Amino acid sequence: GAGVSQSPSNKVTEKGKDVELRCDPISGHTALYWYRQSLGQGLEFLIYFQGNSAPDKSGLPSDRFSAERTGGSVSTLTIQRTQQEDSAVYLCASSLAIGYGYTFGSGTRLTVV
Amino acid sequence: GDSVTQMEGPVTLSEEAFLTINCTYTATGYPSLFWYVQYPGEGLQLLLKATKADDKGSNKGFEATYRKETTSFHLEKGSVQVSDSAVYFCALFSSFFNKFYFGSGTKLNVKP
Repeated sequence: GAGVSQSPSNKVTEKGKDVELRCDPISGHTALYWYRQSLGQGLEFLIYFQGNSAPDKSGLPSDRFSAERTGGSVSTLTIQRTQQEDSAVYLCASSLAIGYGYTFGSGTRLTVV
Repeated sequence: GDSVTQMEGPVTLSEEAFLTINCTYTATGYPSLFWYVQYPGEGLQLLLKATKADDKGSNKGFEATYRKETTSFHLEKGSVQVSDSAVYFCALFSSFFNKFYFGSGTKLNVKP
């Protein structure tokens, strides 16, 4: 597609439920990043993919968070047993390669009630 | 790891005023520097970038110069408009760590 697409754009979930957030990068972009933007905070790095592999998962806050990427394209970020502190905007960005220009999606606003 | 520090907001200006948003960084190696803008209800958009020392990035009347000696990348605009109201994020991309580091964002309010 023309840009990075994220779905859903908004998600309200009950505490303790699992959620899946999807990122569709620009076609051909091999690098894909997930960031989290909490209210009033900057962006917090979560994980990045080069192709289907994730060389750096250091930003995942806990083992409730996981991410995968298949076919070098779509990525899914899964949060298990959601907690209220997981409420944030989750942003995805993709790039043709590491170090090239990055395009961000519009994000998924997750609210845990 | 690397880090970015930018001035806290909100910054409130009248239309046509001069804007400066300060940004300094700490980095291993030679990062690329960016300013991103987030308009209300929208995602991050690249505003401008500079990839090496003394480069000047510019777009839509905004400018920032990569100053290695002061480790700074301050954002400036000579005459702001109401439509510039947004949150501005300074960021660096570390080729050493292969990731972006973002500042906490500065909210700009421009009043007519």
